Amino acid sequence: AQKVTQAQTEISVVEKEDVTLDCVYETRDTTYYLFWYKQPPSGELVFLIRRNSFDEQNEISGRYSWNFQKSTSSFNFTITASQVVDSAVYFCALSEAGSGYSTLTFGKGTMLLVSP
Amino acid sequence: KAGVTQTPRYLIKTRGQQVTLSCSPISGHRSVSWYQQTPGQGLQFLFEYFSETQRNKGNFPGRFSGRQFSNSRSEMNVSTLELGDSALYLCASTLVGSYNEQFFGPGTRLTVL
Repeated sequence: AQKVTQAQTEISVVEKEDVTLDCVYETRDTTYYLFWYKQPPSGELVFLIRRNSFDEQNEISGRYSWNFQKSTSSFNFTITASQVVDSAVYFCALSEAGSGYSTLTFGKGTMLLVSP
Repeated sequence: KAGVTQTPRYLIKTRGQQVTLSCSPISGHRSVSWYQQTPGQGLQFLFEYFSETQRNKGNFPGRFSGRQFSNSRSEMNVSTLELGDSALYLCASTLVGSYNEQFFGPGTRLTVL
C-alpha cells in the first residue's frame, strides 16, 4: 500500500536560515506523481510542485528547490534564506497510476516556524 | 479564473445531526475529490467524483456520502454526526489529463458538539 512519511513534525528556524523538509514514500506502482503543498493558517492547500516518477531532475524555483531520489524513495524540499512568510505546514503527497492519479496520499505534514 | 469554492466555510452541528457540504470546482474541471483533515489522522481521502460517478472511495464509513451534479458541482453528506467528525473538509478539483493536478478550496470547518 502507498505511504508517505514526513518524519519532522515541527521545525523552527530563524529568518535567513536554510531549511530542508524530508519526505519518504512507499509505492508499488512504477508510475506515480509526487507533490508538495503548503498550508498557511488560512487552511487552503497551495500547490508548490509536481514531479513524475520518470523525472529525477532536481528543480529550483526561486528560494525553493526539490531533490527527488528514486533510489532512496525520497523527495526533499529545501527553502533557502527562509522568511517569516514561509511559516506554514508543508505536506508531501503521492498519487499513483493504479488509482488513476485521482487520489492523493498525504504525509502527516511538517510545521515550519520561521522567526524574525 | 475563479478558484474552487466551498460553502459554508464554518459549520457547527450537534451529535446525531446530518450535514451537507458543497464544492464548486474550477470551471472546466470535471473531477472533484474530498478530503478530511484532523489533527490526529491528518489528511485522508474520502472520495472522488468524475462525470457524476464515484470513481474512488477512501476508507470511511457509509455515513459519509457524496454526489456530483451535471455542472460538476459536488456535495458531501455526513449523517448521524459523531464528535470525531469534527474536521476541516477540503475539496479539490482536477482538470483530468493535465497531470491530474489537484487544486484545493479553502475548506469547510465542521465542529460537532
